[in-house]
Amino acid sequence: AQSVTQLGSHVSVSEGALVLLRCNYSSSVPPYLFWYVQYPNQGLQLLLKYTSAATLVKGINGFEAEFKKSETSFHLTKPSAHMSDAAEYFCAVSDRRDDKIIFGKGTRLHILP
Amino acid sequence: DTAVSQTPKYLVTQMGNDKSIKCEQNLGHDTMYWYKQDSKKFLKIMFSYNNKELIINETVPNRFSPKSPDKAHLNLHINSLELGDSAVYFCASSPPLGGGLNNEQFFGPGTRLTVL
Repeated sequence: AQSVTQLGSHVSVSEGALVLLRCNYSSSVPPYLFWYVQYPNQGLQLLLKYTSAATLVKGINGFEAEFKKSETSFHLTKPSAHMSDAAEYFCAVSDRRDDKIIFGKGTRLHILP
Repeated sequence: DTAVSQTPKYLVTQMGNDKSIKCEQNLGHDTMYWYKQDSKKFLKIMFSYNNKELIINETVPNRFSPKSPDKAHLNLHINSLELGDSAVYFCASSPPLGGGLNNEQFFGPGTRLTVL
């Protein structure tokens, strides 16, 4: 069975500081991994995804994530936080054999002025 | 050019009522989903349909019944609404496996259901 654990339900960073949102996964087969962002009162939008090509994945809005198989991690980073990055971020894992995506519980990112 | 749309955006109703939420996608995808997001933002899959056929049916009360008249639409009907049904319901769609987008799902804007 697949699962996703996001460490920290709330993360606060200062504007301009490094953003690091942690995600660890569990999967018995090579997974697809995703990060989605949800802005207030909106649906989920894909930030980036890992599909077994490059382990460092670049996404939209300056975000990137690195797949580390040895650590079963897929942490999301951004070098310099912007106020507009304040949102809920979801890490997700998918078994390549079917359509099901398992979402983590989400991390709310707060940006401090 | 909305990709995945849901109606209504907000739905306020009394306990015991029956209500429906509609979802349409114009992406040409074969698979559609319903998710429930609770007050703690936890996102859980409820149903998945592939080309009008039920694929995933998680542990959901049988008061919830999805209906897919065609592969571009997946509606959610809820009977005898309860307080605990209050949540945001998201529709999503994805292309076929092997369709090049690697299980990526495209989400609608959500329907906020409030049961009084």
